[in-house]
Amino acid sequence: GAGVSQTPSNKVTEKGKYVELRCDPISGHTALYWYRQSLGQGPEFLIYFQGTGAADDSGLPNDRFFAVRPEGSVSTLKIQRTERGDSAVYLCASSLRQGTGELFFGEGSRLTVL
Amino acid sequence: SQQGEEDPQALSIQEGENATMNCSYKTSINNLQWYRQNSGRGLVHLILIRSNEREKHSGRLRVTLDTSKKSSSLLITASRAADTASYFCAILKGGNTPLVFGKGTRLSVIA
Repeated sequence: GAGVSQTPSNKVTEKGKYVELRCDPISGHTALYWYRQSLGQGPEFLIYFQGTGAADDSGLPNDRFFAVRPEGSVSTLKIQRTERGDSAVYLCASSLRQGTGELFFGEGSRLTVL
Repeated sequence: SQQGEEDPQALSIQEGENATMNCSYKTSINNLQWYRQNSGRGLVHLILIRSNEREKHSGRLRVTLDTSKKSSSLLITASRAADTASYFCAILKGGNTPLVFGKGTRLSVIA
């Protein structure tokens, strides 16, 4: 596609449920990033992939969060046993490769945990 | 924290005025980038300045970088109502480290 695509754009779930958020990066971009943004704050790094492997997952808050990128393109962020504190906008970005410069962001997936 | 810290947190100006936002950081960097975010949207890259550069221009944007003071500024000249958005600086330390964002400056340009 022309840009980074994220689905769903909005997700409302109940505490304790499992959630998957999908990111389709720009074709040919080998680096893919997940960030989380709370209201009034800057994006907080979660994890990034170079190709299929997670190059840095140091930002994942706990083991309820997991992300995959099995074929080096689409990525899925998975959140188990959701908590109200997980409510935020989850942003995905891609770049040609890690460390080359600008990131291209999607519009985000807004997660609300009731 | 290694993240950039923007100053001010919020800025309100009249259309036609210049807007200046500052960013300070604490580590050595490979480059520093500025992004813009309209309410409810994703971030859009504005400009990148490398550690060996001191100033860059792009249209109405001017960015400076002072690595000795670990600070950068973003100047938007002749502001327009459409410039109303949040502006974030982000630092790249280099190697395999991810881009780290500050908390942003919320700019309001009043027509």
